[in-house]
Amino acid sequence: EVQLVQSGAEVKKPGESLKISCQSSGYIFSNYWIAWVRQTPGKGLEWMGIIYPGDSDTRYSPSFQGQVTISADKSIDTAYLQWSSLKASDTAIYYCMRRLGGSPSYFWFDPWGQGTLVTVSS
Amino acid sequence: QSVLTQPPSVSAAPGQKVTISCSGSSSNIGNNFVSWYQHFPGTAPKLLIYENSKRPSGIPDRFSGSKSGTSATLGITGLQSGDEADYYCGTWDSSLSVGVFGGGTKLTVL
Repeated sequence: EVQLVQSGAEVKKPGESLKISCQSSGYIFSNYWIAWVRQTPGKGLEWMGIIYPGDSDTRYSPSFQGQVTISADKSIDTAYLQWSSLKASDTAIYYCMRRLGGSPSYFWFDPWGQGTLVTVSS
Repeated sequence: QSVLTQPPSVSAAPGQKVTISCSGSSSNIGNNFVSWYQHFPGTAPKLLIYENSKRPSGIPDRFSGSKSGTSATLGITGLQSGDEADYYCGTWDSSLSVGVFGGGTKLTVL
């Protein structure tokens, strides 16, 4: 079964760092792009960026460039999303998902991870 | 505000049909493929429709998708209580070079 399993919920203080993970199984991790999106009540689903684990080619949304780092370790079939200094506005649910379309225009993702709730509060 | 516009909520009785619209522009829906996702809060969103109208294996034919110009539509027939969920459309925006999604539509089966 193809799966993406994300790390558990996190509660952090403003200014702290954080790295959440997305572990894949059931397919060749290196061969498919992995995207990250943020879900908040006010802004719905927001595209953060996407990485190709095979060569770590990473593309960021301008809105998130410089705010987060997306990485992947193909030796353990895991993608990561990290922050060096969290803000309260980073409070959200974060999802990873595998892109099946062969190019950005063929926009479809399956599966998605179950989501990681990140709460940033003093 | 989301780049793609969906109605916040729709409702219909069991057994009836409902449609969910997704409106965009030429830079996104107009020139790229649309996908649809079903989301039960607290779980992983599930792919329902890809490439505007194709269903992955395992998705019943009660679910259908279409696209015309800069709008897309998800149709669900034979509504069941288990269809109560949030539904999202998504596509690529060629001008912004980012993926874009609708704000989600909450389906209530009366």
